[in-house]
Amino acid sequence: IAGITQAPTSQILAAGRRMTLRCTQDMRHNAMYWYRQDLGLGLRLIHYSNTAGTTGKGEVPDGYSVSRANTDDFPLTLASAVPSQTSVYFCASSVVLASYNEQFFGPGTRLTVL
Amino acid sequence: AQTVTQSQPEMSVQEAETVTLSCTYDTSENNYYLFWYKQPPSRQMILVIRQEAYKQQNATENRFSVNFQKAAKSFSLKISDSQLGDTAMYFCAFISSGTYKYIFGTGTRLKVLA
Repeated sequence: IAGITQAPTSQILAAGRRMTLRCTQDMRHNAMYWYRQDLGLGLRLIHYSNTAGTTGKGEVPDGYSVSRANTDDFPLTLASAVPSQTSVYFCASSVVLASYNEQFFGPGTRLTVL
Repeated sequence: AQTVTQSQPEMSVQEAETVTLSCTYDTSENNYYLFWYKQPPSRQMILVIRQEAYKQQNATENRFSVNFQKAAKSFSLKISDSQLGDTAMYFCAFISSGTYKYIFGTGTRLKVLA
């Protein structure tokens, strides 16, 4: 693994189903983030994690949950998917949770909820 | 609330020419950071250039440079000697010092023409 990986690459999901998007980084970064990218809206922060064992809410957290059991993994769960959650989801990480740090992004997961 | 505006949804430039992408932001903060990220068709976001607000000197990275006008709250990206590989979506981002939350613009789609 080099950098950040996300799985799956894309997914079509029926409304009401539960879905977990996976994110793994091998850079030993402390901070991790989940964004959604929607046309005309740029990227919006869903949840973040300062370090293993801690998480926080971003700009658009409703309908999503995260966990950070270890440094490398930061899964994003949609408990009951709705069509408005159709989006491209990006996981990112940075050395620490600080404004000057560059964020490194994964390749994204395209999710379609029908 | 902070906002980031990219007023050019799409632009095109001939190969080897120079192009400037505009970005304006609104904040009452004095200490912050500004970034330009590139998102090629592969979707993976890559940092192009970063500017610290307390630095008067404009940042430069090879063919990429910025024109940072703090009083005008403007942060444009100049790409010199454009290459086909520069074809991508470009996002301007702002983050206040001491925070972790990027504010992204809506992006400018740049196409470099052969």
